[in-house]
Amino acid sequence: SQQGEEDPQALSIQEGENATMNCSYKTSINNLQWYRQNSGRGLVHLILIRSNEREKHSGRLRVTLDTSKKSSSLLITASRAADTASYFCATASDSWGKLQFGAGTQVVVTP
Amino acid sequence: EAGVAQSPRYKIIEKRQSVAFWCNPISGHATLYWYQQILGQGPKLLIQFQNNGVVDDSQLPKDRFSAERLKGVDSTLKIQPAKLEDSAVYLCASSLTDPPSGNTIYFGEGSWLTVV
Repeated sequence: SQQGEEDPQALSIQEGENATMNCSYKTSINNLQWYRQNSGRGLVHLILIRSNEREKHSGRLRVTLDTSKKSSSLLITASRAADTASYFCATASDSWGKLQFGAGTQVVVTP
Repeated sequence: EAGVAQSPRYKIIEKRQSVAFWCNPISGHATLYWYQQILGQGPKLLIQFQNNGVVDDSQLPKDRFSAERLKGVDSTLKIQPAKLEDSAVYLCASSLTDPPSGNTIYFGEGSWLTVV
């Protein structure tokens, strides 16, 4: 079974706009990670946030984590056409790194 | 730094045939994962190795899937006999292991399997 559930399933925006997607999970976690997957390619790690952290930034990416609500959000600011991809959240319940992925949010950024 | 290498990239087989996928992780990475990703879904962990020992294979359909990691480096995933529902991308991934911290997992490009 998949732990994380992303919302929305699909998102279409124009270049320059911000894109926000959410992830909800069910059980306690050690950390939560976001990945990007371009069509036909493998997954690329974007950012990891630990359970004792509330917010992290990496370039145009901002991730928040609310463990009381068991939810996380990924914000991509000033989106570009190259940001078109599927974005997955994945949770690790322990320190062994086993990840459970959600079904992903498909983001399309039009020029 | 070389990434996770997988082969073959694409494979088409008939149902009931067998197939094997090969993975070479990033040098020095102790943990190796095989994930199955069905079209439109997120990846699902099939098996996780720590060096050459199995940490988790709870979601591996053991009646038809097998995996090994000889000498704690390369790994092979085998499906025999294949079913139509095995059509998916098989992703290999690796990471340094340093419990209790979380580690970045690096994915290969995947092996695309179509069972007809």
